[in-house]
Amino acid sequence: GAGVSQSPRYKVAKRGQDVALRCDPISGHVSLFWYQQALGQGPEFLTYFQNEAQLDKSGLPSDRFFAERPEGSVSTLKIQRTQQEDSAVYLCASSFIGGASNPTQYFGPGTRLLVL
Amino acid sequence: QKEVEQDPGPLSVPEGAIVSLNCTYSNSAFQYFMWYRQYSRKGPELLMYTYSSGNKEDGRFTAQVDKSSKYISLFIRDSQPSDSATYLCALSGGSYIPTFGRGTSLIVHP
Repeated sequence: GAGVSQSPRYKVAKRGQDVALRCDPISGHVSLFWYQQALGQGPEFLTYFQNEAQLDKSGLPSDRFFAERPEGSVSTLKIQRTQQEDSAVYLCASSFIGGASNPTQYFGPGTRLLVL
Repeated sequence: QKEVEQDPGPLSVPEGAIVSLNCTYSNSAFQYFMWYRQYSRKGPELLMYTYSSGNKEDGRFTAQVDKSSKYISLFIRDSQPSDSATYLCALSGGSYIPTFGRGTSLIVHP
């Protein structure tokens, strides 16, 4: 079956430009996560949704970052006024249920963002 | 000090070797211990997870957790060139949010 998909796969933005990154989770998955992965590092948590509710946004690095999942399926991560330090791979993951009792997350291929 | 420490490598081994990958951690609240494999320009893929201490085996892969030493390991037997990837450990406690290590790059050469 279809896995988690993300678009675009690559994005080049000029500093100060706004960008929107899309995530299509696996159908029926309740939980959705966004991560930021810098070069040579592990993924860092950004935010978490359970259905349409954003339950945790403690990892968002600044108020320029905003995420939504209005109908409980597709999610969009928006970065306003991009800065060079925002250059990274943005990963989306989904899981069937939430909670630590089921740590299985399925990751998408990521969006590679380069801010010039 | 980071919560999860992982040597970035690269670790280069010949085909057929037994590979040992390790992470250390500082937070005793971690209860779930996961290993992900990440190929270049792909998302991480969950290989195995264990709850609390002990061993878990799945084919050529064995995960070990030693909570008393705050040390976790992943062993790969009969390594293959297709195992060449970055291996990430990830740990979580009572929440759903895993803390990842930086990953170890493994190269298995024929």
